Amino acid sequence: GDSVTQTEGLVTLTEGLPVMLNCTYQTIYSNPFLFWYVHYLNESPRLLLKSSTDNKRTEHQGFHATLHKSSSSFHLQKSSAQLSDSALYYCALRGNTRKLIFGLGTTLQVQP
Amino acid sequence: GPKVLQIPSHQIIDMGQMVTLNCDPVSNHLYFYWYKQILGQQMEFLVNFYNGKVMEKSKLFKDQFSVERPDGSYFTLKIQPTALEDSAVYFCASSRQGLSSQNTLYFGAGTRLSVL
Repeated sequence: GDSVTQTEGLVTLTEGLPVMLNCTYQTIYSNPFLFWYVHYLNESPRLLLKSSTDNKRTEHQGFHATLHKSSSSFHLQKSSAQLSDSALYYCALRGNTRKLIFGLGTTLQVQP
Repeated sequence: GPKVLQIPSHQIIDMGQMVTLNCDPVSNHLYFYWYKQILGQQMEFLVNFYNGKVMEKSKLFKDQFSVERPDGSYFTLKIQPTALEDSAVYFCASSRQGLSSQNTLYFGAGTRLSVL
């Protein structure tokens, strides 16, 4: 079945450095939709980015990601981390069903 | 942005009792979902609901689980009877569309259920 892999459970970095959170997926569906959700403590997970277009960069709030179907990847990047970016980030996949399949999540800790 | 409200934020219950988790979805949304997250694990799909019916459910949606949205009020998840393994955070979500892959799910903050 469909699955999402986020290899890092915790990423710690210093403010101002670039961010890259990994996400790879598996699905037999040829037109998957990939999502990044951000979850701040005691709040609701909310959508950060989404894409279904191969090799097209999508951006929102300083973050960007590009869906690469050839490598089944949808890594989340930001050029310069801010303290307020500290949160839990989920990559999610929608294949040919209504279900959204989540990865385990990556906690990003940005330090001064 | 659109908000999904979940009440209560934390519920503690004795094993074997019934519990109802309440969700107030975004007002013009038609599709509703429950996800379950056990501590340290990923959010897993339980069920989605449209037009008064369960559209799809996972193997986690045991016979003891039921969902309903009577008269457009809260979308509820009822567990009767509860078991220890039901302890988790339950997230409610809603969306305007269900069949389109691009539709966005809006989540609540979750209800932490502790079964003792």
